[in-house]
Amino acid sequence: QKEVEQDPGPLSVPEGAIVSLNCTYSNSAFQYFMWYRQYSRKGPELLMYTYSSGNKEDGRFTAQVDKSSKYISLFIRDSQPSDSATYLCAMSDYSNQFYFGTGTSLTVIP
Amino acid sequence: EPEVTQTPSHQVTQMGQEVILRCVPISNHLYFYWYRQILGQKVEFLVSFYNNEISEKSEIFDDQFSVERPDGSNFTLKIRSTKLEDSAMYFCATRPGQGFQPQHFGDGTRLSIL
Repeated sequence: QKEVEQDPGPLSVPEGAIVSLNCTYSNSAFQYFMWYRQYSRKGPELLMYTYSSGNKEDGRFTAQVDKSSKYISLFIRDSQPSDSATYLCAMSDYSNQFYFGTGTSLTVIP
Repeated sequence: EPEVTQTPSHQVTQMGQEVILRCVPISNHLYFYWYRQILGQKVEFLVSFYNNEISEKSEIFDDQFSVERPDGSNFTLKIRSTKLEDSAMYFCATRPGQGFQPQHFGDGTRLSIL
């Protein structure tokens, strides 16, 4: 089974807050983990991707993968109104397919 | 930054008709994909395409669907005998060469079947 679970939210935070977005999964074969951001009426835009367990940081964004718990997270520091979007996690094993979560809707209030 | 381009942005079609959705991949990308997102649901994999043939397809991608790269630049998804439940956003995605690299998505075509 290749299910990816993600809390759909909606999540609403004040500007400057730290945001934590999470996904869980059941398939231990997943090795690649992606976070995409999707604005209304737009396609998913790649934010970050990681391979296997560990952390990766890019500016205000940090991605964490805990394969032992089958749990991944995206942290957004100093959140901005422009971060308001839907955030999608996606995962892949060694095949060509990506498996997406339902997406979490985030609103950052000025 | 190079991007994946999809046309049309919105397609309205009568049930039973055929539609062709078009994608122009990023120029040096070799792997092409179609995904579908029904309103309020997950983005779902349909098919992957490499070296002018389908490399993988999901259960959704039945005989109603076909893909091709007719002219070396466009990548198309054809849906025959459209049904109401085919109404969705259809996303094209592409990625470069061998080894794992993440997919880059277009802005999608919104398909409405009446």
